Amino acid sequence: DTAVSQTPKYLVTQMGNDKSIKCEQNLGHDTMYWYKQDSKKFLKIMFSYNNKELIINETVPNRFSPKSPDKAHLNLHINSLELGDSAVYFCASRMNLNSNQPQHFGDGTRLSIL
Amino acid sequence: QKEVEQNSGPLSVPEGAIASLNCTYSDRVSQSFFWYRQYSGKSPELIMSIYSNGDKEDGRFTAQLNKASQYVSLLIRDSQPSDSATYLCAVLGGYQKVTFGTGTKLQVIP
Repeated sequence: DTAVSQTPKYLVTQMGNDKSIKCEQNLGHDTMYWYKQDSKKFLKIMFSYNNKELIINETVPNRFSPKSPDKAHLNLHINSLELGDSAVYFCASRMNLNSNQPQHFGDGTRLSIL
Repeated sequence: QKEVEQNSGPLSVPEGAIASLNCTYSDRVSQSFFWYRQYSGKSPELIMSIYSNGDKEDGRFTAQLNKASQYVSLLIRDSQPSDSATYLCAVLGGYQKVTFGTGTKLQVIP
């Protein structure tokens, strides 16, 4: 069973389009994250949710809108895609805010903007 | 100053040697520290967690933490070509934010 699953794995689209990436975890964790990894491999945190509530929003353009319908899901919608959005987006989860345990990562979504 | 700093490498070591990877962090309230390995095109996978000062060993891997110096390191003994990857240092700091370093690329030469 995949613990943290993201769909789609690959996403190729044109500039200006709107797209969504979905993430689901079956670990029973309360806290979920979105990271962006650019071509230089730097993993930059974008958002974090705890039990459906936004707790971290790291100066991300408002074209990016996360949504957490329940604590097992954290989706990422991106409006008006730009060339600079090309990257690998990773979803991760962690037990809860009181835990010192590490994150579990999904396999990533490789987004390519034409 | 970056919150979590690592040398980007590449760090090249011969097979069988010890690879030493270093990481410094700026948030003094940080309590939990993690090393992840990431192969090209794959997601990060956890190698070690360390929470208190000193050494923690797991097989060929040893993590070392010095909170006073805000320094954490990973030693890989008997390095194998399969250890060639990017190693990411991650720090759990204030507001439960996990911050990653830029990663060190390790190349183990057969």
